[in-house]
Amino acid sequence: NAGVTQTPKFRILKIGQSMTLQCAQDMNHNYMYWYRQDPGMGLKLIYYSVGAGITDKGEVPNGYNVSRSTTEDFPLRLELAAPSQTSVYFCASSYSKVDGYTFGSGTRLTVV
Amino acid sequence: GENVEQHPSTLSVQEGDSAVIKCTYSDSASNYFPWYKQELGKRPQLIIDIRSNVGEKKDQRIAVTLNKTAKHFSLHITETQPEDSAVYFCAASSTSGTYKYIFGTGTRLKVLA
Repeated sequence: NAGVTQTPKFRILKIGQSMTLQCAQDMNHNYMYWYRQDPGMGLKLIYYSVGAGITDKGEVPNGYNVSRSTTEDFPLRLELAAPSQTSVYFCASSYSKVDGYTFGSGTRLTVV
Repeated sequence: GENVEQHPSTLSVQEGDSAVIKCTYSDSASNYFPWYKQELGKRPQLIIDIRSNVGEKKDQRIAVTLNKTAKHFSLHITETQPEDSAVYFCAASSTSGTYKYIFGTGTRLKVLA
């Protein structure tokens, strides 16, 4: 049981490049989330999903896209990377919307 | 909109003393209140949670109390140790309506040896 697996752990992007952050969970959780955490700050919700085929925007969705074709996978796509997207990205999952989250280990992204 | 206020933002205690972090929520429909601990450079991890049908929950040196009337809940850490140093986040969520799982802004706890 690996929990929530995120790849890559680190990435440096040039302005205007695109990339996909991968997230997979093996706990059969319906709910999955993407957060970003800027240095010394809290967690900001980018997108979330309540099940396969269903996604919705969080508080900071601009510049990102997601898809949820299976229960296990919830990739986050960055299009046209900007320096403002430099952050640590956490994927998380939960059994329901009133249960604790299991977080992945994070992806540290730098846009230069 | 709904929000969760967390205080204090930083807290320093001597090793062995107690630490208390308080969160206040605005959505009266909230019925689930988790606490997460995030060590430096690590992921947040769930350490304890409480549901609205319970007033207090304990797990060894940590406890959470809930006051639904006042709409606040608190994390209590007794006999603090250096390894308790971390950022702690509270959150509030609800089964009703659309998805709402709101995090507090975090408290940086330093335990001084």
